[in-house]
Amino acid sequence: DAGVIQSPRHEVTEMGQEVTLRCKPISGHDYLFWYRQTMMRGLELLIYFNNNVPIDDSGMPEDRFSAKMPNASFSTLKIQPSEPRDSAVYFCASSFTTGTDYGYTFGSGTRLTVV
Amino acid sequence: DQQVKQNSPSLSVQEGRISILNCDYTNSMFDYFLWYKKYPAEGPTFLISISSIKDKNEDGRFTVFLNKSAKHLSLHIVPSQPGDSAVYFCAASVPNSGYALNFGKGTSLLVTP
Repeated sequence: DAGVIQSPRHEVTEMGQEVTLRCKPISGHDYLFWYRQTMMRGLELLIYFNNNVPIDDSGMPEDRFSAKMPNASFSTLKIQPSEPRDSAVYFCASSFTTGTDYGYTFGSGTRLTVV
Repeated sequence: DQQVKQNSPSLSVQEGRISILNCDYTNSMFDYFLWYKKYPAEGPTFLISISSIKDKNEDGRFTVFLNKSAKHLSLHIVPSQPGDSAVYFCAASVPNSGYALNFGKGTSLLVTP
């Protein structure tokens, strides 16, 4: 298995532009999570899905952020318009409900820089 | 509001010695605790976990201890190796939360030869 795949690995964009981050979870995993890592706040949960349905989006910082999971093998996190304070590393993770430790498998992250 | 706290941003240990990473939490509803390890430019990887019904879990060189009365857990690495140098995140979850995890800010461990 290739693991959780995120793209792009790095994204540099200008303030005001739309940014779309992509994630392909591990096949068969029924949970998908989006996290954001910053120096100030560490790893924060933004939103998670179960069987493609958003369960909790209370961590999404503003209406500028949106996430979708149109099918079991793909999810997107969109920021529109982007702002410099959105600069962070965004991680996608997936897990399987009945995993004995339900430890997530994380992707390698997307480093977003908004200038 | 940070419910999981790792108060030591960094730790340096000599190879072969014990590394002890600490984590405190404030939410008494947490029932499952995990440690993740993260290398630069990679995502965190699951290391070890413990349920709130236990006070210790061991996996090779890694042992996690849980003190529920103190709302404290620790990760012991014995013996420490240079390859253990990474950022370690403590995480916790509440029941029926859909496996959503609350993470600490991490502790950067450096194991020197």
